[in-house]
Amino acid sequence: GENVEQHPSTLSVQEGDSAVIKCTYSDSASNYFPWYKQELGKRPQLIIDIRSNVGEKKDQRIAVTLNKTAKHFSLHITETQPEDSAVYFCAASRRAAGNKLTFGGGTRVLVKP
Amino acid sequence: GAGVSQSPRYKVAKRGQDVALRCDPISGHVSLFWYQQALGQGPEFLTYFQNEAQLDKSGLPSDRFFAERPEGSVSTLKIQRTQQEDSAVYLCASSLGGGNSPLHFGNGTRLTVT
Repeated sequence: GENVEQHPSTLSVQEGDSAVIKCTYSDSASNYFPWYKQELGKRPQLIIDIRSNVGEKKDQRIAVTLNKTAKHFSLHITETQPEDSAVYFCAASRRAAGNKLTFGGGTRVLVKP
Repeated sequence: GAGVSQSPRYKVAKRGQDVALRCDPISGHVSLFWYQQALGQGPEFLTYFQNEAQLDKSGLPSDRFFAERPEGSVSTLKIQRTQQEDSAVYLCASSLGGGNSPLHFGNGTRLTVT
């Protein structure tokens, strides 16, 4: 089955700096890669996703890149703000598996004002 | 519109008790997923429904775990004879189904087994 590794497990950045989180996956058939943000005690919320036919996608301060050959994808947050502090999860799935998501272990991001 | 709704929000059970966790998906969503999230970890897949059909239950940890979605809408996750290792947040998610439809999560049920 799919295995998703996520690094780093914790990340502390100064407000205004950039944050980068990296994930690798094992199943070359995976074709959908979402990122979720989870605040303490709340639901995971989808912040951006990318499909395997695209190499990069951007939404305001958030961007995701995908390297299918290397089987890794990354989340980039620019101009970080205190409200970006949360746990971020990457995930991967393939259509044939019913879009069942396999999650990484999470990255706790702390943005210091 | 309303999001995915789960109840109860918190559940405390004594070891050996049975519990039932409810999920109301977004109206019209065909696919429904259950995940288990231990403290400080990512969600782990338990089971998946497409309408009323349970298509994948490979993540259920033991035969004490049972899920159903009899009318293709509301789903119930039942845990029999709860153990301390069952303590976790149980998340439900739904999606439109087809292609790579985004999953929308509920707030979860935090189960504590004492």
